[in-house]
Amino acid sequence: ETGVTQTPRHLVMGMTNKKSLKCEQHLGHNAMYWYKQSAKKPLELMFVYNFKEQTENNSVPSRFSPECPNSSHLFLHLHTLQPEDSALYLCASSPAGAGGMGNEQFFGPGTRLTVL
Amino acid sequence: EDQVTQSPEALRLQEGESSSLNCSYTVSGLRGLFWYRQDPGKGPEFLFTLYSAGEEKEKERLKATLTKKESFLHITAPKPEDSATYLCAVRKTDSWGKLQFGAGTQVVVTP
Repeated sequence: ETGVTQTPRHLVMGMTNKKSLKCEQHLGHNAMYWYKQSAKKPLELMFVYNFKEQTENNSVPSRFSPECPNSSHLFLHLHTLQPEDSALYLCASSPAGAGGMGNEQFFGPGTRLTVL
Repeated sequence: EDQVTQSPEALRLQEGESSSLNCSYTVSGLRGLFWYRQDPGKGPEFLFTLYSAGEEKEKERLKATLTKKESFLHITAPKPEDSATYLCAVRKTDSWGKLQFGAGTQVVVTP
């Protein structure tokens, strides 16, 4: 397996359900990201992890809870979501390091989430 | 307020009809401008990074250029397989890890 993988690819859940999205990167990167992509809107950064430490929480509601057990894996735990949370959730990874050049982020295929 | 604006929102081209996409930005301290391609139902695919005004990069039929206020993605003699949404994003000097994306330009190339 190469690149960035995400599971599941599609998820339908009720507002009272609890589910988790999984992301795994095989690129040897140390930074991982969660983005939300809604129709006709720019990608919205949700969380950033750098060497397993959360360095950015972009004012995301607490019903989204990220977890990064190591530099290769990232989870997004979901509970009591709202219909407006329906979107494509994208995971990305990049080489870590402040300053300098780079920070090209490589994306997974996304999880299409529908909240009923 | 920092902004990234892409135009046009949508572009329909005949095969072989060259055109350009625009990404204008108003951010202080640009640390990099990134272009991505996104196919329906897939994640964005990295294309280019540009760091300074005057820089150009090419890949097959795509060429990206950068000025102090905007970037252009030129598509030369496009083919139907170039149909996709093209996204640009900027990174500021003081915001490692944070990319601010534009809304994208949807390109359709017809045979």
